[in-house]
Amino acid sequence: EIVMTQSPATLSVSPGERVILSCRASQSVSSSLAWYQQKPGQAPRLLIYGASTRATGIPARFSGSGSGTEFTLTVSSLQSEDFAVYYCQQYNDWPPYTFGQGTKLEIK
Amino acid sequence: QVQLQESGPGLVKPSETLSLTCTVSGGSISIYYWSWFRQPPGKGLEWIGYIYSRGSATYNPSLKSRVTISLDTSKNHFSLKLNSVTAADTAVYYCARQRYGDYVDYWGQGTLVTVSS
Repeated sequence: EIVMTQSPATLSVSPGERVILSCRASQSVSSSLAWYQQKPGQAPRLLIYGASTRATGIPARFSGSGSGTEFTLTVSSLQSEDFAVYYCQQYNDWPPYTFGQGTKLEIK
Repeated sequence: QVQLQESGPGLVKPSETLSLTCTVSGGSISIYYWSWFRQPPGKGLEWIGYIYSRGSATYNPSLKSRVTISLDTSKNHFSLKLNSVTAADTAVYYCARQRYGDYVDYWGQGTLVTVSS
């Protein structure tokens, strides 16, 4: 099973700041990586797939990069609606598909 | 626009079987992969398994002995059964479209299932 590790667990940031979230895989997942955003009481929402392709309707301030075992999600200028929990998910090797434990973005 | 809606009991007794159905609208379940995920309160996401149009299912090895996912194309829905549940199975359960077995592009709203006597 591929273990996905996200860091940090919590990030305190101010609106307008640029933030970088990290996701590391225990073995290579090539570019088979997705990022999701989850707000309290809601289902996750797909942000990025293929490590760097924005999903339909996702603002350009969200960008993903990386391949192999190291990935990042960058939010260029945080808006109030971006404070949420972010998960990475690998789909290179299954079963099972695996997620990171999440990074919570909170308002500083 | 594809929409998914979970339905089923919100309370299940220990050792009994958890049963949920996901009704899909706005698209046919005869294509794509259809999955179940769960999220214990305050915790992360876990993939339970998927099924696709031929009726072939793949499960998380950690749950494989207790899980069955089935598909009913005539009703455009798919179902989850998890037997011998314990308190550790208490979670929000999501159904989802997992495209071709990769990432999830559509999610249901989720339904909380509590295992308690």
